[in-house]
Amino acid sequence: GAVVSQHPSWVICKSGTSVKIECRSLDFQATTMFWYRQFPKQSLMLMATSNEGSKATYEQGVEKDKFLINHASLTLSTLTVTSAHPEDSSFYICSARPEQREAFFGQGTRLTVV
Amino acid sequence: GENVEQHPSTLSVQEGDSAVIKCTYSDSASNYFPWYKQELGKRPQLIIDIRSNVGEKKDQRIAVTLNKTAKHFSLHITETQPEDSAVYFCAASIYGNKLVFGAGTILRVKS
Repeated sequence: GAVVSQHPSWVICKSGTSVKIECRSLDFQATTMFWYRQFPKQSLMLMATSNEGSKATYEQGVEKDKFLINHASLTLSTLTVTSAHPEDSSFYICSARPEQREAFFGQGTRLTVV
Repeated sequence: GENVEQHPSTLSVQEGDSAVIKCTYSDSASNYFPWYKQELGKRPQLIIDIRSNVGEKKDQRIAVTLNKTAKHFSLHITETQPEDSAVYFCAASIYGNKLVFGAGTILRVKS
């Protein structure tokens, strides 16, 4: 089956630093990937749609300058949380969908900003 | 945009009983409705999905029903087992596009 791999699975960073999270589709090409954020005991909220070779589409209320998305190839999208603060601590998860298949999720990244 | 409401937020059932979770959506253009099971700290796992051209789909103990007119769909789990305990999310989308999730239902199956 299709595999989406996310790295790292957890990261702890200091307030004010930046963190990069990678999302890879291992056995299919993905022109579009989605980034979600999930706070404890809450649902998955879409942050942005990552488009290969073009700018990401951000959901309302998501700061594009804070959450930088790059989708430079058909198998890799990255999310960089810039100048992270404790309120950015969350579970970040990506998804991608092979053609004519359902969406597959990465294993998620637990970000803790201290 | 799409809005998905999910009920109940928590559901406790006795092992062997059935569990039903209901969702409503707002965008009549949505045509794809998956259900996910998520265990603590893990990624969501698709358990069943349905497209708008069918009204019901079943896979062993799990079934989903869709009422396009009323814009609601439901997950039915029969003969529940302790390992069914998890958080369940419904979602809606135009197939291939972004998923909009419901708030989730914590299912507890008591043995």
